[in-house]
Amino acid sequence: GQSLEQPSEVTAVEGAIVQINCTYQTSGFYGLSWYQQHDGGAPTFLSYNALDGLEETGRFSSFLSRSDSYGYLLLQELQMKDSASYFCAVRDQENTDKLIFGTGTRLQVFP
Amino acid sequence: EAGVAQSPRYKIIEKRQSVAFWCNPISGHATLYWYQQILGQGPKLLIQFQNNGVVDDSQLPKDRFSAERLKGVDSTLKIQPAKLEDSAVYLCASSSAESRGRVEAFFGQGTRLTVV
Repeated sequence: GQSLEQPSEVTAVEGAIVQINCTYQTSGFYGLSWYQQHDGGAPTFLSYNALDGLEETGRFSSFLSRSDSYGYLLLQELQMKDSASYFCAVRDQENTDKLIFGTGTRLQVFP
Repeated sequence: EAGVAQSPRYKIIEKRQSVAFWCNPISGHATLYWYQQILGQGPKLLIQFQNNGVVDDSQLPKDRFSAERLKGVDSTLKIQPAKLEDSAVYLCASSSAESRGRVEAFFGQGTRLTVV
């Protein structure tokens, strides 16, 4: 079957750095995306990795290792507004944008 | 640019009733998705349209769920009859050909359905 595993919850304090891991097992792999979702809100796109390595976008970075079927989202200089759920998602087919989402990680940032 | 619009935001129905959700994607986005998100879980794709054609509906419970995208723009998702386990948030998303590969899907706020 297809599965993407993430920790269910992570807590941190303002200004800290937190890493959210994602391990995947899918029939195909054509890229790993990360989405943020505040309570009651819409998921919003954060980053995308198709190749191994680190992608940096401001305070957020995302890493991929295809040989390990593993990726992570790194959030630096945490702010209270970063409290949300974070989902990794795999594009498992080449000619479609279909995404398989992970179970989600709820991040709570404390002052 | 305007985002993905969905309505209604909330709906409460009794089991065995029918319900319909509406979605208006971002202008010019050819691909439209309906996802089901059960509380505490990640979104699960129900159906994907490319223009007005179905690309993937492998996870759509076709005995009770139906969706259409007339004229390749707006879309409706219907459930008939509803079951208790259909209680979830139904998210509509769209993406453009320019984001193909990068897979940047833009989501609406969703419709929270409660079946009692």
